[in-house]
Amino acid sequence: AQKVTQAQTEISVVEKEDVTLDCVYETRDTTYYLFWYKQPPSGELVFLIRRNSFDEQNEISGRYSWNFQKSTSSFNFTITASQVVDSAVYFCALSEAGGSYIPTFGRGTSLIVHP
Amino acid sequence: NAGVTQTPKFQVLKTGQSMTLQCAQDMNHNSMYWYRQDPGMGLRLIYYSASEGTTDKGEVPNGYNVSRLNKREFSLRLESAAPSQTSVYFCASSVHRDSTNQPQHFGDGTRLSIL
Repeated sequence: AQKVTQAQTEISVVEKEDVTLDCVYETRDTTYYLFWYKQPPSGELVFLIRRNSFDEQNEISGRYSWNFQKSTSSFNFTITASQVVDSAVYFCALSEAGGSYIPTFGRGTSLIVHP
Repeated sequence: NAGVTQTPKFQVLKTGQSMTLQCAQDMNHNSMYWYRQDPGMGLRLIYYSASEGTTDKGEVPNGYNVSRLNKREFSLRLESAAPSQTSVYFCASSVHRDSTNQPQHFGDGTRLSIL
């Protein structure tokens, strides 16, 4: 069965600090996909990135970067030079072929960026 | 660009009352989902519909029913509301449950309180 663990319930940083949000997953499938979503205080869920199990390349998008490591079953998310607008709850999700690709979400990490 | 539209946005019910949450998407997506979000629990899947005419139970289906009215609409019904169903409900859609190249698109949520 698929499982996603986001051990950090809440992280508090000061603006301009770098911060990494951890995501550890469990799956028996060789074909699976990982996602990150952002939920700002307004409440909507916004898709950030997806990664399939065959592509371990790290990705950078502006101040955001993602580190996918199959060896440790992790898909961590780093925000460089954090800003107040980054304050949100961030969810990691996993969908696997054996699970009919129905996503399983982690419990989320609340990031608070102080000015 | 409406995307996924949920109605109502807020609702207060008394224990035992019934209610239907409406969801419609205009992206021609095959698959639709209902989640509930509770503090510290992340997103938990209630029901999903892989395609028009089919529905399946998710992780927490008890106390709920769904109807996939057509390709655009997927409603969630609480027949006899209970305080434990106080939550934020999200509807989502995706191109196809196997098309994991595409992420889910979420509505803005319905905040439901059961007194």
